[in-house]
Amino acid sequence: DAKTTQPPSMDCAEGRAANLPCNHSTISGNEYVYWYRQIHSQGPQYIIHGLKNNETNEMASLIITEDRKSSTLILPHATLRDTAVYYCIVRAISSGSARQLTFGSGTQLTVLP
Amino acid sequence: NAGVMQNPRHLVRRRGQEARLRCSPMKGHSHVYWYRQLPEEGLKFMVYLQKENIIDESGMPKERFSAEFPKEGPSILRIQQVVRGDSAAYFCATVTGTGYNEQFFGPGTRLTVL
Repeated sequence: DAKTTQPPSMDCAEGRAANLPCNHSTISGNEYVYWYRQIHSQGPQYIIHGLKNNETNEMASLIITEDRKSSTLILPHATLRDTAVYYCIVRAISSGSARQLTFGSGTQLTVLP
Repeated sequence: NAGVMQNPRHLVRRRGQEARLRCSPMKGHSHVYWYRQLPEEGLKFMVYLQKENIIDESGMPKERFSAEFPKEGPSILRIQQVVRGDSAAYFCATVTGTGYNEQFFGPGTRLTVL
């Protein structure tokens, strides 16, 4: 799986959009971009994933650049409960590829009141 | 995370004792992953199991650690003769289908070795 690079920490004001960047310049054509988050002391929580098109669900939006070398997770209206470590993970979904998730260091997002 | 159960949530063992961690998957999920999170570190993959089969144990330490997922009952991660370096949070994640789908994580078991 391709490596990812994320800033170690970010702050965001409550109610504002939180934009979390991720670089994955070595991503392969069959690799998806996944986002998980881990609120302190809890198990990781799936947020969203995508291949090349932008994706949106009830939690967030995922914007992937045209060359797929980077992406941005957008939390449109951050709340204090969104304070967590956010992990960007690149993962192939094809027969023979590893199925486990490879977690990096992630970005500690702190939502400020 | 609703549905994936892990117990106990906290476990204290003395050096040399055995630790048994249990993971009950969500209904309909037949794949289980175990991950370990050492203090101040990210999660690291340990083992991937389907019912009655170990599919990938490339992340398991070579000694003292074993895992199973029997036909009936929870998946169990067993650590024999625990050492202080085993102190960590152990998370399981369960998946339906082929194993590539979204992973649902449990709340974790925090093991402390005295």
